[in-house]
Amino acid sequence: DTEVTQTPKHLVMGMTNKKSLKCEQHMGHRAMYWYKQKAKKPPELMFVYSYEKLSINESVPSRFSPECPNSSLLNLHLHALQPEDSALYLCASSQDQAGVGYEQYFGPGTRLTVT
Amino acid sequence: AQKITQTQPGMFVQEKEAVTLDCTYDTSDPSYGLFWYKQPSSGEMIFLIYQGSYDQQNATEGRYSLNFQKARKSANLVISASQLGDSAMYFCAMREAPNTNAGKSTFGDGTTLTVKP
Repeated sequence: DTEVTQTPKHLVMGMTNKKSLKCEQHMGHRAMYWYKQKAKKPPELMFVYSYEKLSINESVPSRFSPECPNSSLLNLHLHALQPEDSALYLCASSQDQAGVGYEQYFGPGTRLTVT
Repeated sequence: AQKITQTQPGMFVQEKEAVTLDCTYDTSDPSYGLFWYKQPSSGEMIFLIYQGSYDQQNATEGRYSLNFQKARKSANLVISASQLGDSAMYFCAMREAPNTNAGKSTFGDGTTLTVKP
């Protein structure tokens, strides 16, 4: 099974709402990633978890809060977002963070609209 | 300087013909990996093919092959016998050694491929 699942597929939220994005993989991968992608642009790395610990935070605003409850799950908690945060949010996993040869498996993404 | 350069924002190809998508990269690391991903309009990024810096032969996966020219630092994707379902955005990406880039992937700006019937 090479599937990464993400829920919800679409999310519309107001600037005062609190919501969460969820990601799950059952490939035994030890690295999980959150990316933000604007239309027709490459994905931008937000966070990396390696062996369930936060390894990289790319200076993401604190209104985005990641969480890795276990080796298969990754959450992204959203609070007080801005309209410019509207984007496609992609979750990915790879066997390990360190190896140069490990491809990433991506989920279908959550299309987020902040009103 | 950009680490991954994709110079073709958009490409068109006739169905059943072959097409080459260009990718050049910049690194001083001897050990690195090069990847191509496909992103249809639905949004999901799909891994296509991988080439390691020490690999002697060009990678192939079905209709996809990677034309790896190490001295020129290029890793072009060749899609043979194009199909309508190949219409998508294609990203070239690189992973360097952890002490260089902390295990992060660097993506190019992408090439939008349109296959014409």
